Amino acid sequence: EAQVTQNPRYLITVTGKKLTVTCSQNMNHEYMSWYRQDPGLGLRQIYYSMNVEVTDKGDVPEGYKVSRKEKRNFPLILESPSPNQTSLYFCASAGTRDYNEQFFGPGTRLTVL
Amino acid sequence: QKEVEQDPGPLSVPEGAIVSLNCTYSNSAFQYFMWYRQYSRKGPELLMYTYSSGNKEDGRFTAQVDKSSKYISLFIRDSQPSDSATYLCAMSATRNGGGADGLTFGKGTHLIIQP
Repeated sequence: EAQVTQNPRYLITVTGKKLTVTCSQNMNHEYMSWYRQDPGLGLRQIYYSMNVEVTDKGDVPEGYKVSRKEKRNFPLILESPSPNQTSLYFCASAGTRDYNEQFFGPGTRLTVL
Repeated sequence: QKEVEQDPGPLSVPEGAIVSLNCTYSNSAFQYFMWYRQYSRKGPELLMYTYSSGNKEDGRFTAQVDKSSKYISLFIRDSQPSDSATYLCAMSATRNGGGADGLTFGKGTHLIIQP
């Protein structure tokens, strides 16, 4: 089954404790992206990658890191999480022909205390 | 400028009604227009995708784009309780862009279909 998977689905952590949210897709997609979704603010792009070893900042990159060492994986790293990073996070991927047709993962609900 | 405006709702209608969801935008460079549907506790999924102006129909769903007015609509006929979800409009100037050239999303309209 073609899909984007994220882990963990739910995470409660404390300020300053480094964490990684994994994202993996099995569709051989070039494009991958991370979004956060907050009430009243909608979906905002954090980082995106158009190919292996190529990453770029989105609208709200501060406090986040990403890497793209393999085509299928695009982890999101929070080196020192803060409460304002409490949010719902989505990973998405898209194929070569059209990056507008994005396939989203199930989401990760992160709470930073 | 990337702004896309979308009424957040909630919009509550009885089963069987025709639903109209709308977005306005300011960037005249947008050419590709999408509607994503997001069920509660799920990721968005692409529902409708149109290029430039005109209409596209898929079953009970019709997407309409009016570039001259910078206005897009999604119509749902014979609405069902299973259509209850948040509907996000999205648009872009290119097919293969990222960042500022990638997708710009509206904030979403929460739709409730009452049985």
